[in-house]
Amino acid sequence: KAGVTQTPRYLIKTRGQQVTLSCSPISGHRSVSWYQQTPGQGLQFLFEYFSETQRNKGNFPGRFSGRQFSNSRSEMNVSTLELGDSALYLCASSLAADSGANVLTFGAGSRLTVL
Amino acid sequence: AQSVTQLDSQVPVFEEAPVELRCNYSSSVSVYLFWYVQYPNQGLQLLLKYLSGSTLVESINGFEAEFNKSQTSFHLRKPSVHISDTAEYFCAVSPDSSGSRLTFGEGTQLTVNP
Repeated sequence: KAGVTQTPRYLIKTRGQQVTLSCSPISGHRSVSWYQQTPGQGLQFLFEYFSETQRNKGNFPGRFSGRQFSNSRSEMNVSTLELGDSALYLCASSLAADSGANVLTFGAGSRLTVL
Repeated sequence: AQSVTQLDSQVPVFEEAPVELRCNYSSSVSVYLFWYVQYPNQGLQLLLKYLSGSTLVESINGFEAEFNKSQTSFHLRKPSVHISDTAEYFCAVSPDSSGSRLTFGEGTQLTVNP
């Protein structure tokens, strides 16, 4: 069974541009979470989507947004890029929220470099 | 608010030696605790989790962690490590059992030397 697929794997942008990252969850998984990983701040929760609705949101500015489609695929968008947005963006999917048997499966990430 | 502190950023050990990776947490609500492992250029993989019940939880590859409420700790241990255990290990806490909103520690790089 295919894992969580994130595209693109690597990308380079310049300050002020915007970027869209895509995440295809494991088939049947309805919850998708996004995390940002940087050397300075570590792993930080961005947001979680479940059944096309944002269920939870981390402490990031409004430049960071996301959405989920009816097939559970998710995208996140970062507008007006800043140098500090350079990071590995990880997506994780799971069957359903609020379940003790829930297990997050992470993708390999999209590495964004902002110049 | 929840927070996690991993007390060691790097732990070098020799193969077949025991290892302990330390994790302390802070939370004003019930906690659910997790250990994840990240191999180079890969995403995170769940190693083990504590939701309730027995305070000692085990993984399939020989790691174990013990939830200690009085010391607010969730240290990860393995009695004998292998070269293949070299990776970064993250302790995390979640406000609910789904584990979908994780607060991570800063990570501990475990390096197993021959």
